[in-house]
Parts: sequence; structure tokens; C-alpha cells
Amino acid sequence: GAGVSQSPSNKVTEKGKDVELRCDPISGHTALYWYRQSLGQGLEFLIYFQGNSAPDKSGLPSDRFSAERTGGSVSTLTIQRTQQEDSAVYLCASSLGRQTYGYTFGSGTRLTVV
Amino acid sequence: AQKVTQAQTEISVVEKEDVTLDCVYETRDTTYYLFWYKQPPSGELVFLIRRNSFDEQNEISGRYSWNFQKSTSSFNFTITASQVVDSAVYFCALGQGGYQKVTFGTGTKLQVIP
Repeated sequence: GAGVSQSPSNKVTEKGKDVELRCDPISGHTALYWYRQSLGQGLEFLIYFQGNSAPDKSGLPSDRFSAERTGGSVSTLTIQRTQQEDSAVYLCASSLGRQTYGYTFGSGTRLTVV
Repeated sequence: AQKVTQAQTEISVVEKEDVTLDCVYETRDTTYYLFWYKQPPSGELVFLIRRNSFDEQNEISGRYSWNFQKSTSSFNFTITASQVVDSAVYFCALGQGGYQKVTFGTGTKLQVIP
């Protein structure tokens, strides 16, 4: 597609439930990133995928968080046993190759845990 | 470790005034990239500029200009003759050379009052 697509745009879930957030990057972008933005805060790095290399998971806040990227394209961020502190906007971005181009961000998924 | 500091949390200016958003970074890398992103009220982050560590030339794009000074580890952003549409949160970011992970500052919220 023309841009980075994220779904759902909004998600309300009960504490303790699992959620899956989806990101469809720009076609041909080999790098994909997940960031989290809590209310009034900056962007917190979560995970980075580059081609077929092992992902950089150093930003995942706990083992309840995991992410996959299938076929070098679509990515799914899964949060298990959600907690209220997981409430945030989850942003996905993609970029070209290994040179550090600017990212193209999606519109994000606003997750609210009640 | 990389760090980006945006000391100005919020700035308010009257339309047509000039405004400078400060960004100070820390890195041990000799090759790195600096970015500015704009996040309007709609929420989607928009890439504005990328500058590599070997290019200290200032850049001007319309009403926007960027001042990169390695001696002070700063990459400041100036908007000339501000407009209401400039109201947004602006993020400065730092990327390591050859590696995609980018560290964001906490953002500066700019409000341009008509």
C-alpha cells in the first residue's frame, strides 16, 4: 500500500485478556519497527525487524510482549494478560534497507485496558 | 548509550512569530543520524528531516530551518513566521549509523495562537 497500515485503530480490552495489533508496512520496506507512546510521553522503542535477521527485542518491556513478522512483511504485536499500564498508542513504522532513512509511521493503535 | 533531550516541554507563540525548538543529543558513535518528526493533533508522525553526522550544513526548507552543531551536540529546529497549522508535537530523534534503532526525545508541544 501507499502507507503503513495499522489495525485496529482503537482497541478496548479487559485487564488480563490478550490482544493482537497488526502492522502492514510499505511494500518493499525491509525494516519494521514498533514503538509505544504513552499519554504525553515520547516514543518508547519496542522491537525492530530487518529482513531475515533476528529481531532486536531489547525494548520489549516484559515477556508478556512478543512480535512476529511473517514473510518479511506484515507484523503482529501480541500482548498477553494485558495490564492497565499497557494502555498507550502503539506505533508501527517502516523504512528502506539498512541505511537510516526516515521512518514512515502508521496512524497507530490506541489500546485501552480497562 | 544514546540519549535525546528536548528540554522544552511546551511552547506557545503568537502567529507569525519565529520559534526555535531545542534538541541536544548524546552518543558515542562517530556516525549517526538526526531526525525531526512532527506529530499533529491527528496523531500520525510525519518525517521532516534527516541529517547525518558528517554534514553540518544548515538546511532551510521554506519556513523551516535546522541548525546542526556537533560542537554542542545540538540539532535545533526553527520555524519562521509560525502559522496555526504548525501547532503540533515535534520530536527530535537520533539513529546509530548503519543500524536502524532510533531513539526519540520526549517531544516539544508547540501551540501557535492566532
